[in-house]
Amino acid sequence: TQLLEQSPQFLSIQEGENLTVYCNSSSVFSSLQWYRQEPGEGPVLLVTVVTGGEVKKLKRLTFQFGDARKDSSLHITAAQPGDTGLYLCAGKKNNDMRFGAGTRLTVKP
Amino acid sequence: NAGVTQTPKFQVLKTGQSMTLQCAQDMNHEYMSWYRQDPGMGLRLIHYSVGAGITDQGEVPNGYNVSRSTTEDFPLRLLSAAPSQTSVYFCAIRWRTGGSYEQYFGPGTRLTVT
Repeated sequence: TQLLEQSPQFLSIQEGENLTVYCNSSSVFSSLQWYRQEPGEGPVLLVTVVTGGEVKKLKRLTFQFGDARKDSSLHITAAQPGDTGLYLCAGKKNNDMRFGAGTRLTVKP
Repeated sequence: NAGVTQTPKFQVLKTGQSMTLQCAQDMNHEYMSWYRQDPGMGLRLIHYSVGAGITDQGEVPNGYNVSRSTTEDFPLRLLSAAPSQTSVYFCAIRWRTGGSYEQYFGPGTRLTVT
């Protein structure tokens, strides 16, 4: 059983559509990170959220940390084929970091 | 993935063989860690180190040893490889930035144990 559950597991959409992916847990984390990973490469950090209720924007990507610091969401506006990849969330407790299994996003032109 | 190098990129082992996966950084950060990534499982922490001479276990440490004699290097040793250790292994460095932190992954080592 994953400590962090990500949904959906797979998502295939057309270019220009909006989407939201979720990262949920029953545990409280001191902070949460989102990564994007492309085939054959390591994950690349997109954002770190540390405060309950925090919202961060990175161009067309909006990240939200839940008020109770147990969950997070990633919203992409007007998705582009370059957004295709595996999106991972990771929660931190002291020196321990737990990852979700990821959402594999495909954006078709 | 400048800053963290991993060697080899690919490796095939037979059951029972030993090997060391190398990880080196040139960014002088104290915290280094090893993860394995398996389909449907996300990344799982194997071992981590908060500085030279200090190591600790993560979520899945069994079958792996680490040491940290220098800030730059954090090798991961498999003493007797098993098919269950077939995976992609990532080394990472982490550092604090203000009230937050950054984590940076190497390019990975794809290991197959037959």
